[in-house]
Amino acid sequence: DIVMTQSPDSLAVSLGERATINCKSSQSVLYSSSNKNYLAWYQQKPGQPPKLLIYWASIRESGVPDRFSGSGSGTDFTLTISSLQAEDVAVYYCQQYYSIPPYTFGQGTNLEI
Amino acid sequence: EVQLVQSGAEVKKPGESLRISCQGSGYSFTRYWIAWVRQMPGKGPEWMGIIYPGDSDTKYSPSFRGQVTISADKSINTAYLQWSSLKASDTAMYYCARHKIEGMQRLCNGADCYDNYWYFDLWGRGTLVTVSS
Repeated sequence: DIVMTQSPDSLAVSLGERATINCKSSQSVLYSSSNKNYLAWYQQKPGQPPKLLIYWASIRESGVPDRFSGSGSGTDFTLTISSLQAEDVAVYYCQQYYSIPPYTFGQGTNLEI
Repeated sequence: EVQLVQSGAEVKKPGESLRISCQGSGYSFTRYWIAWVRQMPGKGPEWMGIIYPGDSDTKYSPSFRGQVTISADKSINTAYLQWSSLKASDTAMYYCARHKIEGMQRLCNGADCYDNYWYFDLWGRGTLVTVSS
């Protein structure tokens, strides 16, 4: 299985400041034929299911605020929140969906104010 | 409204059987793969397996094959996750989730080809399963 490793495990950021979460895969999730990275980001708030934020490493899901952005390629990816809002407090997960299943998630990054 | 509605929380004893459900609505249920995802307290989600309700084609993670059974009844737009003999270690939140793609995508790296199901775009609210004597 592809191992997804996030850093840091937890992060405290002031309101209005930038938050950066990293995700590294144990092997490339770039499909060369389409030049697409099979990498998604999810946000999970307490008592709720995960919510899709970003897919194909950098495409924002409909309705997701534009302060959320994804970048990276191959094995190294980043989720950036440009100006942290109170409602962004959550655990964030990256997930690869490139391999033969199972599709694996990172261990999560707990984002606090 | 496009949604997945899961059955309620369960409290069971070790050795008991259990089936939990996930009903889809607001979209063509038979055309999208439904996954079951386990999340243990304080841990990341784990992909357990998927089913294509249109023909009940099923695939399991090696970690869960033989431990659970995934099934579906397309006449009532419902997928199921079933245990025949629960263990305390099965205590977790279980989510159903929809893979985004209708059908599947074929990926090929040279001569090696396999099916791909993309990311999750829709989640149920989860069913908490507690197994305790």
